[in-house]
Amino acid sequence: TQLLEQSPQFLSIQEGENLTVYCNSSSVFSSLQWYRQEPGEGPVLLVTVVTGGEVKKLKRLTFQFGDARKDSSLHITAAQPGDTGLYLCAGAKQAGTALIFGKGTTLSVSS
Amino acid sequence: DTGVSQNPRHKITKRGQNVTFRCDPISEHNRLYWYRQTLGQGPEFLTYFQNEAQLEKSRLLSDRFSAERPKGSFSTLEIQRTEQGDSAMYLCASRQAEGSGNTIYFGEGSWLTVV
Repeated sequence: TQLLEQSPQFLSIQEGENLTVYCNSSSVFSSLQWYRQEPGEGPVLLVTVVTGGEVKKLKRLTFQFGDARKDSSLHITAAQPGDTGLYLCAGAKQAGTALIFGKGTTLSVSS
Repeated sequence: DTGVSQNPRHKITKRGQNVTFRCDPISEHNRLYWYRQTLGQGPEFLTYFQNEAQLEKSRLLSDRFSAERPKGSFSTLEIQRTEQGDSAMYLCASRQAEGSGNTIYFGEGSWLTVV
Protein backbone atom coordinates (compact mmCIF):
# COMPACT_ATOMS: atom_id res chain seq x y z
CA THR A 1 0.00 0.00 0.00
CA GLN A 2 1.42 3.35 -1.11
CA LEU A 3 1.10 5.84 1.70
CA LEU A 4 1.38 8.83 -0.62
CA GLU A 5 -0.40 8.60 -3.96
CA GLN A 6 0.69 10.96 -6.69
CA SER A 7 -1.26 11.69 -9.82
CA PRO A 8 -0.89 11.78 -12.67
CA GLN A 9 2.08 9.44 -12.98
CA PHE A 10 3.07 10.89 -16.36
CA LEU A 11 2.29 14.25 -17.92
CA SER A 12 3.34 15.46 -21.32
CA ILE A 13 2.39 19.02 -22.24
CA GLN A 14 3.30 21.90 -24.52
CA GLU A 15 5.23 24.94 -23.41
CA GLY A 16 2.92 27.59 -22.01
CA GLU A 17 0.29 25.22 -20.65
CA ASN A 18 -0.70 25.04 -17.00
CA LEU A 19 -0.71 21.84 -14.97
CA THR A 20 -1.48 20.51 -11.52
CA VAL A 21 0.06 17.53 -9.77
CA TYR A 22 -1.64 15.94 -6.79
CA CYS A 23 -0.34 14.14 -3.73
CA ASN A 24 -2.95 12.36 -1.63
CA SER A 25 -2.97 10.23 1.47
CA SER A 26 -5.38 8.87 4.04
CA SER A 27 -2.84 9.72 6.74
CA VAL A 28 -2.08 13.02 8.39
CA PHE A 29 1.41 14.42 7.94
CA SER A 30 3.22 16.93 10.11
CA SER A 31 4.71 18.38 6.92
CA LEU A 32 4.88 17.70 3.21
CA GLN A 33 7.70 18.50 0.88
CA TRP A 34 7.97 18.73 -2.88
CA TYR A 35 11.14 17.78 -4.71
CA ARG A 36 12.24 17.93 -8.32
CA GLN A 37 14.65 15.36 -9.61
CA GLU A 38 16.53 15.21 -12.89
CA PRO A 39 17.86 11.96 -14.36
CA GLY A 40 20.96 10.69 -12.58
CA GLU A 41 20.74 13.28 -9.82
CA GLY A 42 19.39 13.34 -6.30
CA PRO A 43 16.08 15.05 -5.46
CA VAL A 44 16.27 18.79 -4.88
CA LEU A 45 13.90 20.37 -2.37
CA LEU A 46 11.43 22.88 -3.80
CA VAL A 47 9.27 23.67 -0.80
CA THR A 48 8.10 22.50 2.61
CA VAL A 49 4.52 23.06 3.75
CA VAL A 50 3.69 22.68 7.40
CA THR A 51 0.39 24.37 8.20
CA GLY A 52 -2.97 23.02 7.00
CA GLY A 53 -4.31 25.25 4.22
CA GLU A 54 -0.90 26.81 3.62
CA VAL A 55 -0.13 28.13 0.14
CA LYS A 56 3.40 28.86 -0.98
CA LYS A 57 4.57 30.32 -4.25
CA LEU A 58 7.91 29.87 -5.93
CA LYS A 59 7.92 31.90 -9.16
CA ARG A 60 5.52 30.01 -11.47
CA LEU A 61 5.01 27.17 -8.98
CA THR A 62 2.21 27.25 -6.40
CA PHE A 63 2.08 24.67 -3.61
CA GLN A 64 -0.89 24.03 -1.37
CA PHE A 65 -1.23 21.89 1.74
CA GLY A 66 -4.71 20.54 2.41
CA ASP A 67 -6.65 21.79 5.43
CA ALA A 68 -6.51 18.34 7.01
CA ARG A 69 -2.80 17.94 6.18
CA LYS A 70 -3.48 14.76 4.21
CA ASP A 71 -2.92 16.07 0.72
CA SER A 72 -1.04 18.63 -1.31
CA SER A 73 -0.94 20.00 -4.82
CA LEU A 74 1.63 21.59 -7.07
CA HIS A 75 0.44 23.93 -9.79
CA ILE A 76 2.76 25.16 -12.52
CA THR A 77 1.73 28.14 -14.61
CA ALA A 78 2.99 28.58 -18.17
CA ALA A 79 5.22 25.51 -18.11
CA GLN A 80 8.61 25.71 -19.76
CA PRO A 81 10.91 22.96 -21.09
CA GLY A 82 13.18 23.58 -18.11
CA ASP A 83 10.39 22.35 -15.83
CA THR A 84 10.83 18.84 -17.23
CA GLY A 85 11.67 16.34 -14.53
CA LEU A 86 10.36 13.98 -11.87
CA TYR A 87 8.28 15.75 -9.22
CA LEU A 88 8.12 13.97 -5.89
CA CYS A 89 6.05 14.66 -2.83
CA ALA A 90 7.29 13.42 0.52
CA GLY A 91 5.83 13.53 3.98
CA ALA A 92 6.82 12.97 7.55
CA LYS A 93 4.14 11.62 9.86
CA GLN A 94 5.93 13.11 12.83
CA ALA A 95 8.58 15.79 13.00
CA GLY A 96 12.01 14.25 12.71
CA THR A 97 10.90 10.88 11.37
CA ALA A 98 12.01 9.57 8.00
CA LEU A 99 10.38 11.02 4.91
CA ILE A 100 8.03 8.81 2.94
CA PHE A 101 7.95 9.49 -0.79
CA GLY A 102 5.27 9.14 -3.39
CA LYS A 103 6.11 7.42 -6.67
CA GLY A 104 6.46 10.72 -8.45
CA THR A 105 5.05 12.49 -11.48
CA THR A 106 7.20 12.54 -14.59
CA LEU A 107 6.65 15.83 -16.39
CA SER A 108 7.74 16.46 -19.94
CA VAL A 109 7.34 19.95 -21.41
CA SER A 110 8.01 20.30 -25.10
CA SER A 111 8.60 23.54 -26.98
CA ASP B 1 30.02 24.37 -0.71
CA THR B 2 30.07 20.95 0.94
CA GLY B 3 26.77 19.28 0.28
CA VAL B 4 26.08 15.59 0.79
CA SER B 5 28.77 13.64 -1.00
CA GLN B 6 28.41 10.06 -2.19
CA ASN B 7 30.89 7.71 -3.79
CA PRO B 8 31.30 5.91 -5.95
CA ARG B 9 28.77 7.56 -8.23
CA HIS B 10 28.52 4.44 -10.36
CA LYS B 11 29.32 0.81 -9.66
CA ILE B 12 28.91 -2.20 -11.91
CA THR B 13 29.37 -5.52 -10.19
CA LYS B 14 28.83 -9.18 -10.87
CA ARG B 15 26.05 -11.00 -9.08
CA GLY B 16 27.30 -12.44 -5.83
CA GLN B 17 29.93 -9.80 -5.19
CA ASN B 18 29.88 -7.41 -2.26
CA VAL B 19 29.70 -3.65 -2.74
CA THR B 20 30.10 -0.73 -0.36
CA PHE B 21 28.91 2.84 -0.78
CA ARG B 22 30.07 5.79 1.25
CA CYS B 23 28.19 8.93 2.24
CA ASP B 24 29.68 12.08 3.70
CA PRO B 25 26.85 14.22 5.07
CA ILE B 26 26.77 17.97 5.47
CA SER B 27 28.98 18.73 8.45
CA GLU B 28 27.10 19.28 11.71
CA HIS B 29 24.11 17.32 10.36
CA ASN B 30 23.59 14.61 12.91
CA ARG B 31 20.86 12.71 11.06
CA LEU B 32 21.77 10.62 8.06
CA TYR B 33 19.38 8.65 5.85
CA TRP B 34 19.74 5.98 3.18
CA TYR B 35 17.13 5.52 0.45
CA ARG B 36 16.92 3.30 -2.60
CA GLN B 37 15.37 4.43 -5.88
CA THR B 38 14.62 2.52 -9.08
CA LEU B 39 13.91 4.15 -12.43
CA GLY B 40 10.70 6.15 -12.55
CA GLN B 41 9.91 5.52 -8.89
CA GLY B 42 10.17 7.59 -5.75
CA PRO B 43 12.91 6.90 -3.19
CA GLU B 44 12.21 4.11 -0.70
CA PHE B 45 13.43 4.54 2.84
CA LEU B 46 16.06 2.04 4.01
CA THR B 47 17.49 3.27 7.31
CA TYR B 48 18.57 6.30 9.28
CA PHE B 49 21.08 7.29 11.93
CA GLN B 50 21.19 9.92 14.58
CA ASN B 51 24.86 10.40 15.24
CA GLU B 52 26.25 6.85 15.36
CA ALA B 53 23.00 5.20 16.46
CA GLN B 54 20.92 3.42 13.85
CA LEU B 55 17.39 4.40 14.89
CA GLU B 56 15.18 2.86 12.24
CA LYS B 57 15.46 0.16 9.60
CA SER B 58 12.97 -0.59 6.87
CA ARG B 59 11.93 -4.16 6.20
CA LEU B 60 13.41 -3.51 2.75
CA LEU B 61 16.80 -3.75 4.42
CA SER B 62 17.38 -7.49 4.16
CA ASP B 63 20.12 -9.29 6.06
CA ARG B 64 22.41 -8.81 3.06
CA PHE B 65 22.36 -5.07 3.69
CA SER B 66 24.24 -3.40 6.51
CA ALA B 67 24.77 0.26 7.25
CA GLU B 68 27.16 1.83 9.69
CA ARG B 69 28.05 5.27 10.94
CA PRO B 70 30.84 4.47 13.38
CA LYS B 71 31.90 7.99 14.37
CA GLY B 72 28.68 9.79 13.71
CA SER B 73 30.06 11.45 10.60
CA PHE B 74 30.33 9.49 7.33
CA SER B 75 28.27 6.35 6.74
CA THR B 76 28.73 3.21 4.68
CA LEU B 77 26.11 0.97 3.12
CA GLU B 78 27.30 -2.52 2.28
CA ILE B 79 25.42 -5.02 0.17
CA GLN B 80 26.64 -8.59 0.38
CA ARG B 81 26.08 -11.28 -2.24
CA THR B 82 24.50 -8.81 -4.63
CA GLU B 83 21.50 -9.85 -6.71
CA GLN B 84 20.18 -8.33 -9.93
CA GLY B 85 17.24 -6.95 -8.01
CA ASP B 86 19.65 -4.77 -6.03
CA SER B 87 20.29 -2.67 -9.13
CA ALA B 88 19.13 0.81 -8.20
CA MET B 89 20.32 4.24 -7.17
CA TYR B 90 21.25 4.45 -3.50
CA LEU B 91 20.64 7.91 -2.11
CA CYS B 92 22.05 9.38 1.06
CA ALA B 93 20.57 12.41 2.78
CA SER B 94 21.30 14.38 5.92
CA ARG B 95 19.69 16.97 8.18
CA GLN B 96 20.06 18.57 11.54
CA ALA B 97 17.95 16.98 14.21
CA GLU B 98 16.81 20.31 15.62
CA GLY B 99 15.91 23.70 14.27
CA SER B 100 15.43 22.91 10.61
CA GLY B 101 12.03 21.29 10.47
CA ASN B 102 12.10 18.31 8.19
CA THR B 103 14.35 19.73 5.50
CA ILE B 104 16.75 17.06 4.41
CA TYR B 105 19.39 17.41 1.74
CA PHE B 106 20.16 14.65 -0.71
CA GLY B 107 23.38 13.59 -2.32
CA GLU B 108 23.58 12.84 -6.01
CA GLY B 109 23.27 9.12 -5.42
CA SER B 110 25.29 6.01 -6.17
CA TRP B 111 24.14 3.96 -9.11
CA LEU B 112 24.49 0.20 -8.73
CA THR B 113 24.19 -2.18 -11.66
CA VAL B 114 24.40 -5.89 -10.90
CA VAL B 115 25.11 -8.02 -13.96
